[in-house]
Amino acid sequence: EIVMTQSPVTLSVSPGERATLSCRASQSVSSNLAWYQQKPGQAPRLLIYAASTRATGVPARFSGSGFGTDFTLTISSLQSEDFAVYYCQQFNNWPRTFGQGTKVEV
Amino acid sequence: QVQLVQSGAEVKKPGSSVKVSCEASGGTFRTHAINWVRQAPGQGLEWMGEIIPMFGISNYAQDFKARVTISADEVTRTAYMELSSLRFDDTAVYYCATGRLQGAGTPLDYWGQGALVTVSS
Repeated sequence: EIVMTQSPVTLSVSPGERATLSCRASQSVSSNLAWYQQKPGQAPRLLIYAASTRATGVPARFSGSGFGTDFTLTISSLQSEDFAVYYCQQFNNWPRTFGQGTKVEV
Repeated sequence: QVQLVQSGAEVKKPGSSVKVSCEASGGTFRTHAINWVRQAPGQGLEWMGEIIPMFGISNYAQDFKARVTISADEVTRTAYMELSSLRFDDTAVYYCATGRLQGAGTPLDYWGQGALVTVSS
């Protein structure tokens, strides 16, 4: 099983600041990686797939990068609605494992 | 646009089984993998398994393989996740999810609203 490790666990930032979230895979997942945003009481929302492609309707302030084992989600200028938990997921191998999440808070 | 509507909350006894349904509208049901993901209270997302309805073959996470059955009915466009031998730590919200792309191993664009399963004596 591929283990996905996200860091940091919690990221404290102010509105308008840049946020950088990391996701590391225990073995290569090529570019088969997605990022999701989840707010309390809601289902996750797909933000990024194929490591760097924004999903439909996702603002341009969200960007993804990486290949193989190391990936980054960047939020260029945090808005109030961006405070949430972010998960990475690999879909290169079965099982389709998730990272443990990074909480972005004020 | 795909919509996934799940069955409602359930309360179950330890040792019993639960079956959660997920009805899809819009899109092409038979060729798109339906995934099941659960989330225990205050915890992260845990992938359980997936099925492509036209093939009827499921893939499961090892942690659930002995206890979970994922199935799909192409006629009613409904997928099911049945978890048996329930334990207290199976208390979670269970989500179904699918993607815009056909086949397995695709990102999850569309999610159901979640079904809370509470295991309590």
